Amino acid sequence: EDQVTQSPEALRLQEGESSSLNCSYTVSGLRGLFWYRQDPGKGPEFLFTLYSAGEEKEKERLKATLTKKESFLHITAPKPEDSATYLCAVHTRGSGGSNYKLTFGKGTLLTVNP
Amino acid sequence: NAGVTQTPKFRVLKTGQSMTLLCAQDMNHEYMYWYRQDPGMGLRLIHYSVGEGTTAKGEVPDGYNVSRLKKQNFLLGLESAAPSQTSVYFCASSYPMDGPRGTQYFGPGTRLLVL
Repeated sequence: EDQVTQSPEALRLQEGESSSLNCSYTVSGLRGLFWYRQDPGKGPEFLFTLYSAGEEKEKERLKATLTKKESFLHITAPKPEDSATYLCAVHTRGSGGSNYKLTFGKGTLLTVNP
Repeated sequence: NAGVTQTPKFRVLKTGQSMTLLCAQDMNHEYMYWYRQDPGMGLRLIHYSVGEGTTAKGEVPDGYNVSRLKKQNFLLGLESAAPSQTSVYFCASSYPMDGPRGTQYFGPGTRLLVL
């Protein structure tokens, strides 16, 4: 069974204090790993897709990296507006050959204090 | 582009009542999905559709039905609501997941409370 574990569950940072969020996965046949940001009362907002180990993607203060077992979301010099829940999801080939399957982690709640 | 929209935003039902949640997308996506999000559980797939007129079960389909009569719309029905269906429901859409544009885009959610 595919499993996705995000850590920590919650992280509180001071503005400007860089850190990383972790997404570890145990899946058969990874086809892609997605990062989403979710604000309270809103739907998940797409950030990045990573397809192969060693790949990195950046957007403003965020950088996502991928290894064969985990992904990191590095946040450099965060601002209060970066406060949100960050979700990781892995795309694997579903049973019976279906290609829809996304398995989500439970998320990391990030709070950045001014 | 409005992206993915959901109707209604919030609804309160009594046990045994029925309702339909509507999802619409204007991105010409073939695939559409219904998820539920519960505290401590993460997002779980209820049903999905890979094209107009086709639907399939996800992880937690019991108590729900869906229909995809038009490419841009995906309806989620609760025939007889139960308190266990209290949740936040998200619709998403995407191009085929195996392609280079296979990213799921989510709507704003419908908050459902079943008393």
